[in-house]
Parts: sequence; C-alpha cells; structure tokens
Amino acid sequence: DIVMTQSPDSLAVSLGERATINCKSSQSVLYISNNKNYLAWYQQKPGQPPKLLIYWASTRESGVPDRFSGSGSGTDFTLTISSLQAEDVAVYHCQQYFSTPLTFGGGTKVEIK
Amino acid sequence: EVQLVQSGAEVKKPGTTVKISCKISGHTFTDYCIHWVQQAPGKGLEWMGLIDPDDGDTIYAEKFQSRVTITADTSTGTAYMELSSLRSEDTALYYCAKDDGGPLLPLEYWGQGTLVTVSS
Repeated sequence: DIVMTQSPDSLAVSLGERATINCKSSQSVLYISNNKNYLAWYQQKPGQPPKLLIYWASTRESGVPDRFSGSGSGTDFTLTISSLQAEDVAVYHCQQYFSTPLTFGGGTKVEIK
Repeated sequence: EVQLVQSGAEVKKPGTTVKISCKISGHTFTDYCIHWVQQAPGKGLEWMGLIDPDDGDTIYAEKFQSRVTITADTSTGTAYMELSSLRSEDTALYYCAKDDGGPLLPLEYWGQGTLVTVSS
C-alpha cells in the first residue's frame, strides 16, 4: 500500500497570509506513460463531506478559487493557499489514486491565527 | 446536478451487521465507480472499497475484506455497503463517493455521510 504522510498536522495562519501543506507518498505516484501525478487534494469543513479541490496534483476543480494551488511530482507535493480567507478554515487531505487501495494522508487542520 | 444521498444514522450492537445505501442521481449510474470511505471520530479518511456498477466488479481494502460487501442496484441507481461483525471501532461516519470515470481517478462527488454508532 502507498502510505501518504502530511505535514504539519495543523497550522494557524493570519488572514491574508500564505498557508502551505505538504504531502509525501511512500512511492512515486507519477505514471510515466502519461506524465500525470495521481494525487488529489480535498477540503473538509466541519460537519461536511470532503470536497475535491485539486487533482492531477495541480489541476483545480471547477469553481475552486485560484488562491488554491497544487504543486509537486513523484513523491513530494504541496497545497498552497496564497491568501487565507476565513472560509478556508478546514481540514485538508491529500490522496493518491495511483493504485488501490486508495490512500489518504492524515489530514492538516488549518485555522486562523 | 449530480447528487449522492445516503441513508440515515444507525445504532447497532456489537456483532451485528449494518447496511447503508447511497442513491445517485444526475448521471449515468453505470459510467462511474462508487467508493466507500470510513472516517472515525476525529480521524482521517480510510478507503474501504469500490464497485463498478456496470459489471458488479468490486475491489476491497485488505483491512475490511473479510467483513465488507459492496453492491449496486442498477434499476434504482443505488449502491450499498454492508459491514458485518460490528465492533466499537467501527463507530464512524461512512461516505459514498463517485469517481470521475474509473477506479484510478479522483473522488469527484461525495454523499453527505452516514453515522454508524456501535454500542452495547
């Protein structure tokens, strides 16, 4: 199984400041034949199901604000919120869909400082 | 609009079985796989398995392999997840989710979740 490790577990950021979340996979999730990273990011607000934010490591889902961006390749990935807004308070999860079983990181809780 | 609507909360005794439903509307039921994900209180997300409604093929996570059964009724557009031999550690929110057209694609839409409480 591919193990996904997120860091930090939580972070507090001032409104308008940058938030950065890291995700590391135990093996590469880059599929060489199509040069795609099988990595997604989800946002989960309290009392709600997860919402897909980013897939293929860096493609924003339709309707997701452009302050959210994803980067990285192979085994190391980053989700960046360029200017934190109050509505971004949530837990963020990375997930690999390179192989089954699909696996998620432990989640990162983002709060306002 | 794609919607996944799950059945309501359940309270079960240890050793019994729970069956949760997930009705999908707004898309062709057999064009996507349906996944089930467990979220224990205060914990992360754990993938349990999936079904391809087109042919009924399933893939289960090893952790749940011996106790979970995922089925799909194409006539009603509903997927089901049955978990047997319940224990207290199974107390969790259970989500169904639809992928983007294949098992190795992101989980594009999610149900609202079903809380299962296992208590004697």
